[in-house]
Amino acid sequence: EAQVTQNPRYLITVTGKKLTVTCSQNMNHEYMSWYRQDPGLGLRQIYYSMNVEVTDKGDVPEGYKVSRKEKRNFPLILESPSPNQTSLYFCASSLTNTDTQYFGPGTRLTVL
Amino acid sequence: AQSVSQHNHHVILSEAASLELGCNYSYGGTVNLFWYVQYPGQHLQLLLKYFSGDPLVKGIKGFEAEFIKSKFSFNLRKPSVQWSDTAEYFCAVTGYSSASKIIFGSGTRLSIRP
Repeated sequence: EAQVTQNPRYLITVTGKKLTVTCSQNMNHEYMSWYRQDPGLGLRQIYYSMNVEVTDKGDVPEGYKVSRKEKRNFPLILESPSPNQTSLYFCASSLTNTDTQYFGPGTRLTVL
Repeated sequence: AQSVSQHNHHVILSEAASLELGCNYSYGGTVNLFWYVQYPGQHLQLLLKYFSGDPLVKGIKGFEAEFIKSKFSFNLRKPSVQWSDTAEYFCAVTGYSSASKIIFGSGTRLSIRP
């Protein structure tokens, strides 16, 4: 089944404790993105990757890192999480930026 | 600055009413436009998209959208809504280049009274 998977689905952590949210797709897509969804703000792109080893900042990259060592995986790293990073995070993939994006189920992160 | 505005934050309609959700964008150059929907408890999924050609685009579940370049708009319409259309709707824009960001609007929550 074609899908985007994210882990973990729920995470409660404390300020400053490094964490990684994994994202994997099995559709051989080139373009992958991370978004955060906050009430009243919609989805905001954090980082995106056009293909392996090529990433670029979205609209809200501060406090996040990404890597794209393999086509299928695009982990999101929070080196030192802060409470303002409490949010719902979505990973998405598509053939290119102009094609249909397929979204993961979301990761609800709470930073205390 | 690149942006997408969805002015209707929450729309409440009765079944069989007609729907129009507004979307205006600011994005330099040639654009590609999308409407995504998030049903309660489900993943975001594509409703429809515009790349080029006919500015009236038809999508799934009876939805359509019209691209009006002069107004920088891509409004979503449905002639007769159903209770199952209750969801959050997001408009999005990206550029022609493969290195383009994707910008989403803040979303419109649609509630349908049975």
